[in-house]
Amino acid sequence: DGGITQSPKYLFRKEGQNVTLSCEQNLNHDAMYWYRQDPGQGLRLIYYSQIVNDFQKGDIAEGYSVSREKKESFPLTVTSAQKNPTAFYLCASSLGENTEAFFGQGTRLTVV
Amino acid sequence: GENVEQHPSTLSVQEGDSAVIKCTYSDSASNYFPWYKQELGKRPQLIIDIRSNVGEKKDQRIAVTLNKTAKHFSLHITETQPEDSAVYFCAGGVTGGGNKLTFGTGTQLKVEL
Repeated sequence: DGGITQSPKYLFRKEGQNVTLSCEQNLNHDAMYWYRQDPGQGLRLIYYSQIVNDFQKGDIAEGYSVSREKKESFPLTVTSAQKNPTAFYLCASSLGENTEAFFGQGTRLTVV
Repeated sequence: GENVEQHPSTLSVQEGDSAVIKCTYSDSASNYFPWYKQELGKRPQLIIDIRSNVGEKKDQRIAVTLNKTAKHFSLHITETQPEDSAVYFCAGGVTGGGNKLTFGTGTQLKVEL
């Protein structure tokens, strides 16, 4: 059953701690993305990767880091430098440029 | 960079009526415009997309129109049904931009019985 999986669904973090969100896909897609969704602000791009071992900053990369060591995996680390990390995070993948993006079910991160 | 504006932010229609959501974009190089639907608690899913070489595309009750000169595109839903209630996002992308889509802020559509 092909798809894109994010884990965990809910995540709680204490202030000052780093946390890593998982994103795995078995669609054989080259491109992967991380978006942040806040009420009234749509989806904002954090980082994207067009190919293994390569990634670029999106519009709101500050306080986040990523890696792309395997085609199937694109984990996102929310660092303590992110001033307002509480949000809903969506991972997506696509076969190539200007093709359908398939989204994961999201991870809701809450800083406590 | 690209800026995509979406209106209205909320839209309420009676079942069976039509709904129209409008988006404008700033980058004249944008040439790919998808629309995503996100039901409550679920992931966004593509419902229709249009490329800049066509002016209109239709899929059953859903249609999208594109005006490249004015840099705006619209989603039209006819004969609305309760299951159309969701948040709809427009987006714009540029060939050569790495599929780096810029999304609008979303429209909450409510179809009332």
